[in-house]
Amino acid sequence: SQKIEQNSEALNIQEGKTATLTCNYTNYSPAYLQWYRQDPGRGPVFLLLIRENEKEKRKERLKVTFDTTLKQSLFHITASQPADSATYLCALDRTGGYNKLIFGAGTRLAVHP
Amino acid sequence: GAGVSQSPRYKVAKRGQDVALRCDPISGHVSLFWYQQALGQGPEFLTYFQNEAQLDKSGLPSDRFFAERPEGSVSTLKIQRTQQEDSAVYLCASSLRQSTDTQYFGPGTRLTVL
Repeated sequence: SQKIEQNSEALNIQEGKTATLTCNYTNYSPAYLQWYRQDPGRGPVFLLLIRENEKEKRKERLKVTFDTTLKQSLFHITASQPADSATYLCALDRTGGYNKLIFGAGTRLAVHP
Repeated sequence: GAGVSQSPRYKVAKRGQDVALRCDPISGHVSLFWYQQALGQGPEFLTYFQNEAQLDKSGLPSDRFFAERPEGSVSTLKIQRTQQEDSAVYLCASSLRQSTDTQYFGPGTRLTVL
């Protein structure tokens, strides 16, 4: 069955450094992949979408890469700030044509001043 | 404008009770999704509506779970005879159309079954 793996251990980094989060998937070839941010007690918030024919996408301090050969996406936050501390979720589309998503468990990021 | 709202935010039920969770999507959004999120996990798909039509209910864990969206706007997720394993956060999301449109999530309803 389709499976998404994100690093279950929290990522602790120093303010100003680049945070890199990994999303690996198996048994599937998604048409696109999305990244969401989730704060405690809140619903996920959409950040970026990257399609299978795109290698890289950027938005302000965020960068996402998508390697369909390795079945992996990397999510980077440059010049990280304490306000970036949250859980980041990776999601893949499933068949159906209506953006039915399968989510990873998320990686918690803590940026320390 | 207003985002997706859900009520109640917290619900405590005794095992065996029925519960109803409400979702108010963003006005005009055609697509509506329900997800279940267990502690420390990502959201898991439950069901999908396009307007009032429930096009996919493959994620509903059992026949105790029922969802409706009778007028194509507000949606209700009902759980009958709640069990302890139903304890989770139930998230609702809406999007303008389908395809790859951004899904906007509500804050969720945290259900605790004692």
